[in-house]
Amino acid sequence: DGGITQSPKYLFRKEGQNVTLSCEQNLNHDAMYWYRQDPGQGLRLIYYSQIVNDFQKGDIAEGYSVSREKKESFPLTVTSAQKNPTAFYLCASSIVGRDPSYHGSGANVLTFGAGSRLTVL
Amino acid sequence: AQRVTQPEKLLSVFKGAPVELKCNYSYSGSPELFWYVQYSRQRLQLLLRHISRESIKGFTADLNKGETSFHLKKPFAQEEDSAMYYCALLGGFSGGYNKLIFGAGTRLAVHP
Repeated sequence: DGGITQSPKYLFRKEGQNVTLSCEQNLNHDAMYWYRQDPGQGLRLIYYSQIVNDFQKGDIAEGYSVSREKKESFPLTVTSAQKNPTAFYLCASSIVGRDPSYHGSGANVLTFGAGSRLTVL
Repeated sequence: AQRVTQPEKLLSVFKGAPVELKCNYSYSGSPELFWYVQYSRQRLQLLLRHISRESIKGFTADLNKGETSFHLKKPFAQEEDSAMYYCALLGGFSGGYNKLIFGAGTRLAVHP
């Protein structure tokens, strides 16, 4: 069954602790993304990666870190530096359409995981 | 700046009424736009993309470059259409990297 698996589904953290959210995909997608979903603010991009061993900061990368050691995996660490970490986190992946004029089927269409809800106590 | 604006947080209609979810974008290049939907207790998923020019679940969206809009429309709303809808723009194509920029979302509530 192909798809994206995020774990854990729910996570509680004490202030000052780092936590790592797991994201694994078996879709053979090159690109992977982390978004944060807050009520009234939509989805905001934290980090994204379009190839193994490389990743780019999104719009709200401060207080977060990622790694991309394997094509299938893109874990997100929420560090103690993140001021407001309580949120719903979504991982996604896609085929990459690198050329701006490329409109191949499935390119740049994101497949999402079920999400991880982090609560800081 | 690359931006997606969905001006309505909530759109409430009765079953059978027409629906239009608004989306405006800001992008200097040739845009590629999407609508994603999140039904209750389900994953966020693609509804449609403008390059496909298709109708999904009765929804259509036309790209209007003059008005920089990509509004989502359905002539007759159904209760099962109740969900959170996000408009998204493929942007940031620099150095070979592109990223999807989402709007804040509009919650559609269809009442019986």
